[in-house]
Amino acid sequence: AQTIHQWPVAEIKAVGSPLSLGCTIKGKSSPNLYWYWQATGGTLQQLFYSITVGQVESVVQLNLSASRPKDDQFILSTEKLLLSHSGFYLCAWSPDWGRENTLYFGAGTRLSVL
Amino acid sequence: GDSVTQTEGLVTLTKGLPVMLNCTYQTTYSPFLFWYVQHLNEAPKLLLKSSTDNKRTEHQGFYATLHKSSSSFHLQKSSVQLSDSALYFCALDNYNVLYFGSGTKLTVEP
Repeated sequence: AQTIHQWPVAEIKAVGSPLSLGCTIKGKSSPNLYWYWQATGGTLQQLFYSITVGQVESVVQLNLSASRPKDDQFILSTEKLLLSHSGFYLCAWSPDWGRENTLYFGAGTRLSVL
Repeated sequence: GDSVTQTEGLVTLTKGLPVMLNCTYQTTYSPFLFWYVQHLNEAPKLLLKSSTDNKRTEHQGFYATLHKSSSSFHLQKSSVQLSDSALYFCALDNYNVLYFGSGTKLTVEP
């Protein structure tokens, strides 16, 4: 069975500090990977997606970057946090490329920027 | 561009009553629609999906029918339970990107 693990579970960071969030998928080779952001009680906004190692596509510009250093790993980062970065960050994977794919979400990382 | 509209932000119902959560979409492509459910402090999970016009799809007592003529994919259930209290998102697939609606918070009371 496939598992998805996100770290850390929660972070409290200062404005202007750097950030690195991670996600690992086990049990599935070459998954499609995604990062989503959710404001408290709000909708899900797709940030990035990746279909292969070393290749990441940006969907929205929020002063964040993403990388896929390994087949099973997806990293979200920024050098300088903004207050607006607060929220819930969800990593997700899907098994195949194409439409009508189910997304499987990780448990998420709750970020508070103060 | 592509978009999804969910008109109800909050829906409160008594257990045992029927519910319909509205979802309409706008796209220039052939539509693929999803409903995801997110319980409190949990990750979203797929509830339903469809790309077939006028065909009802069902899961866990919930059902929805994609109507391309009205660009709608409303979620229904004939009798809600306390455990159905959650945030429900309608989403539209646009190849590489999934567009989510604003979500409907369903609260079921005893």
